[in-house]
Amino acid sequence: EVQLVESGGGLVQPGGSLRLSCAASGFTVSSNYMSWVRQAPGKGLEWVSVIYSGGSTYYADSVKGRFTISRDNSKNTLYLQMNSLRAEDTAVYYCARDKVGATVYWGQGTLVTVSS
Amino acid sequence: DIQMTQSPSSLSASVGDRVTITCQASQDISNYLNWYQQKPGKAPKLLIYDASNLETGVPSRFSGSGSGTDFTFTISSLQPEDIATYYCQQSIFTFGPGTKVDIK
Repeated sequence: EVQLVESGGGLVQPGGSLRLSCAASGFTVSSNYMSWVRQAPGKGLEWVSVIYSGGSTYYADSVKGRFTISRDNSKNTLYLQMNSLRAEDTAVYYCARDKVGATVYWGQGTLVTVSS
Repeated sequence: DIQMTQSPSSLSASVGDRVTITCQASQDISNYLNWYQQKPGKAPKLLIYDASNLETGVPSRFSGSGSGTDFTFTISSLQPEDIATYYCQQSIFTFGPGTKVDIK
């Protein structure tokens, strides 16, 4: 069974950093396209970043240069390093596995709050 | 970057009604269009991929069509459990703003 469990969310001050983790089971992270998607409180879904099975990475313009997606194959875990955080980065962050050109499997989400 | 729009932003319909949501891409995306259902406090659920393919286990009252820049999502007979927000998505990237569906 595919499972994705995010962790690492919390309260951080503007300008601070946070690293989100997504522990996967039931499949191999490095063999799949893996994404981060976020949702600000009461707002819609926003695609954040993707890492392809070959290692290529892509980012939404809103986070480019501040966020870094990576994976640890030995731990079968996906990460999102978030630096220079802003109030507008406040959101629930979902880890997801992509398949057949769609985001098929989703974690439960972890809340990141950027506030002083 | 490709932008996605959806209409309407919200709708209210009766149980058994046919419900239609449209999604438009700012440029040709072929059939790389997905539809998701999200209920409050839950992660999104994939319903339709590649514009018209029903994800395994999804009821057949849900359907999708379109290609290029214009797409349509239909619920043939609205059920109480279909109350949710629906999003279109270009491939694995940009999402539309969502359509909130309520029961009248």
